[in-house]
Amino acid sequence: DTAVSQTPKYLVTQMGNDKSIKCEQNLGHDTMYWYKQDSKKFLKIMFSYNNKELIINETVPNRFSPKSPDKAHLNLHINSLELGDSAVYFCASMSQLKPHEQYFGPGTRLTVT
Amino acid sequence: KQEVTQIPAALSVPEGENLVLNCSFTDSAIYNLQWFRQDPGKGLTSLLLIQSSQREQTSGRLNASLDKSSGRSTLYIAASQPGDSATYLCAVTSGNTPLVFGKGTRLSVIA
Repeated sequence: DTAVSQTPKYLVTQMGNDKSIKCEQNLGHDTMYWYKQDSKKFLKIMFSYNNKELIINETVPNRFSPKSPDKAHLNLHINSLELGDSAVYFCASMSQLKPHEQYFGPGTRLTVT
Repeated sequence: KQEVTQIPAALSVPEGENLVLNCSFTDSAIYNLQWFRQDPGKGLTSLLLIQSSQREQTSGRLNASLDKSSGRSTLYIAASQPGDSATYLCAVTSGNTPLVFGKGTRLSVIA
C-alpha cells in the first residue's frame, strides 16, 4: 500500500487555467505538507497543515490554496496558472509522535505552457 | 532562518569506492536531520533519520553522522555501486516545523 499518494503524476496545462493536485496519506498522520521543487531541484516548503491550523508560507502567491477535506487529504488548488508555476510538487505527511519523520509522495510534475 | 548547504553539488566516482557527502546547517537548534535519496523523475526516499541526541545512524552500506554543535552531518556510502547513483538530499527540522532542504548532491557511480 502506498503511504502517501498524489494525483495526477503529470499535469500539463495552459497559462491562465485553474488546476488541482490531490494528496492522500493512509498513515494516520495528523500533519501534512506541500513542497515545491523548482527547476534547480531546490525543495522548499509551501504549506503545512496540522488538523487545526494551516500555516501559509508568505512567499507563496495567494493563487495557491490548500484544502483539507479531512485529516487524510490535503489538496492543492492553483488559480490562474503561470509559466513560473512549472515545477514538481511534493506532498508529505508526518506524525506528531516521535521521531517526527516525514514521508513523501511521489510528486506531481506540473508543466504550464 | 535555517539554511542547509550540501557539498559537493555533484560527485562522480568509480564503482567500489567509499565516499562521503557533506551537509551543514546554520541553526544548531534542530530536532532531527534526515537524508533522502531522489532518483531522476521520482519522489523522495528517506534513507536515515538522526535525532538531535544521536551521533550516527547506520543502514546497510550507509552511515550518517551528526555533529549538532558544529552544524554538520555526513553521509558515508561504503563500496559504492552504480545503483547508488541518485541525488542525495539533506534536510533538518526543528520539531513540528517543515523540513528545510539542502540543494542536494548529485552522485554518479561509474561501473
